Amino acid sequence: GAVVSQHPSRVICKSGTSVKIECRSLDFQATTMFWYRQFPKQSLMLMATSNEGSKATYEQGVEKDKFLINHASLTLSTLTVTSAHPEDSSFYICSATLSGGISTDTQYFGPGTRLTVL
Amino acid sequence: AQKVTQAQTEISVVEKEDVTLDCVYETRDTTYYLFWYKQPPSGELVFLIRRNSFDEQNEISGRYSWNFQKSTSSFNFTITASQVVDSAVYFCALGGGSQGNLIFGKGTKLSVKP
Repeated sequence: GAVVSQHPSRVICKSGTSVKIECRSLDFQATTMFWYRQFPKQSLMLMATSNEGSKATYEQGVEKDKFLINHASLTLSTLTVTSAHPEDSSFYICSATLSGGISTDTQYFGPGTRLTVL
Repeated sequence: AQKVTQAQTEISVVEKEDVTLDCVYETRDTTYYLFWYKQPPSGELVFLIRRNSFDEQNEISGRYSWNFQKSTSSFNFTITASQVVDSAVYFCALGGGSQGNLIFGKGTKLSVKP
């Protein structure tokens, strides 16, 4: 149980285009999903916390107009990188918790999406 | 402030050796959770263990074992008789914050050579 999928796994796009990444909890309902970004050989940095039916909470320094997050259902959250630029190239990983998103919950991670902006 | 330190950036061992990955954390919370995740070259983070701050019992799962010491704020991870498939980056993380976000260490890259 507790499987999280992401789509696409890899995407290459031209500078200026927008890219949407989907994160789905396959066998459980996820009230809270998290979006992380990981640069090569670095740790995961939390970008935002996404709660179903409400606006996402962004970490300091993350542009909410650049990284649009929608959590329309208990099993799906999307991250849209708008007007992508080469510096947005990174590995984007989502995670989901089984309930409530409190600190007691284990986060289960998706397989990640590697974005390359040319 | 909350912080997780994994001082070992890279470790290389030969198959069948035992290896310990260190993790030191800082938090002012009295209730918190500690995690270890494995990230193989494919990129997906695999959950290994969760430990709450009230449970200092060591845990063993097959070749994996964890040593939680609140007195030294450490949560170390030992792999016994390492195998090539153990090669990965291992992250220690601290659960905190009102929304359950994780604070990750920088990770330790383990290379197990045949």
